[in-house]
Order: sequence, then C-alpha cells, then structure tokens
Amino acid sequence: EVQLVETGGGLIQPGGSLRLSCAASGFTVSSNYMSWVRQAPGKGLEWVSVIYSGGSTYYADSVKGRFTISRDNSKNTLYLQMNSLRAEDTAVYYCATLNGGWFDPWGQGTLVTVSS
Amino acid sequence: QSVLTQPPSVSAAPGQKVTISCSGNTSNIGLHYVSWYQQLPQSAPKLLIYDNLRRPSGIPDRFSGSKSGTSVTLGITGLQSGDEADYYCGTWDINLKSVVFGGGTKLTVL
Repeated sequence: EVQLVETGGGLIQPGGSLRLSCAASGFTVSSNYMSWVRQAPGKGLEWVSVIYSGGSTYYADSVKGRFTISRDNSKNTLYLQMNSLRAEDTAVYYCATLNGGWFDPWGQGTLVTVSS
Repeated sequence: QSVLTQPPSVSAAPGQKVTISCSGNTSNIGLHYVSWYQQLPQSAPKLLIYDNLRRPSGIPDRFSGSKSGTSVTLGITGLQSGDEADYYCGTWDINLKSVVFGGGTKLTVL
C-alpha cells in the first residue's frame, strides 16, 4: 500500500527551527517528485516546495532562503528543514507525491505552530 | 488572495447536481492541466480529478471535470451528504514558477 506519514510538527517560538519528516512506503521517494504543501488554520492550500527525482529543488517565494527540502534515499524519507520560523508559517504541513501535474497521494499532515 | 478564483461556497439538495468553477489566466490554466482535490472535514486533501477531466481509480463517475480557455469546472451529480467538503483546484503557473491553488469552495448538501 502506498502511504506517506509525516512527523516532526509541534510548537516552536518565532525565529526557531524545526525539521519535518515524511516516511514513504509502497514506493521509492527518490524515483518521484516529492512536495510539501501547507494549510494555515481555516485557510486554503499553499504549495511550499518540491524536490525532483534528479535532485533539483524549488520553493515558494514565501519560504525561499528559510526552508530546505531534502530526502534520505536509504530511509525512503522526505524532509523539510524550516529555519527562522514566523507566525505566518503556522499551518498543517502535508507531504505529497507530485505525479505529472497533480498531487497523489498525500500524507495525513503534521501541525506546526509558531508562537511565543 | 489566491491566484485561481473559486466561489467560497456552493450548496444543493441531495440527489441534485452542482458545479464549482475555477478561473485563472493564460499563465496557468490556459497553459497547463488542472487537478481537483476534495478535503473532507479534519482530513487531508484527496485527488479527485487530474489532467482537467480524468478520474483516478476509485473516484465515482458522479465527479467530472471540464476546461474552457482559462477556466475549469468540477461537476458533481447525485449529491450525497458524504460529498460535503472543501474542494480545491490546482495547477502550475509559468510566470510565478510555482504550483498555485484556488482558495477553495465549501460544498454544503442541504
């Protein structure tokens, strides 16, 4: 069964750092385009970042320079390193596989709360 | 303000049909395929439609997608209470070099 499970969310103070993990099963992370999408409380979906199978990475302007997407092929796991966190980064963070031009499957999400 | 424009809400009675529009421009919908996602309350989004009109396996044919120019439409027939959810459209924007989503439409089955 194809599955994505995110972990690593929590409460963090503004300016702090957090690393999210997304463990995949049923397929190989490194052979796919993998992405992070977030959703602020009560708001819509916002694309955050993507890593291509070849290793190229891209970011939304809102997180460029602060967030880093990466993967560990040996662990079949996707990561999102988030630095210099701001209140507006508070959201549920989903990892998803980017197939062609669509996201499928999605993980269940992990909540990141940036607050003092 | 989302790049793609969706109505905030739509509603219809059980068994009826509803359509949800998603409007963009020539740098996004006009150039690229669009996908639709269903997000049930307290759940992760789920792929409903891809490549404008294709349904993944397991998605009933009550759900359909269409495209005309820089707009797409999601159609749902035979509405059921279980269809109450938020629906999002998404695509690539060549100018923004980013995936963009609509603001979401909340479907209420009366």
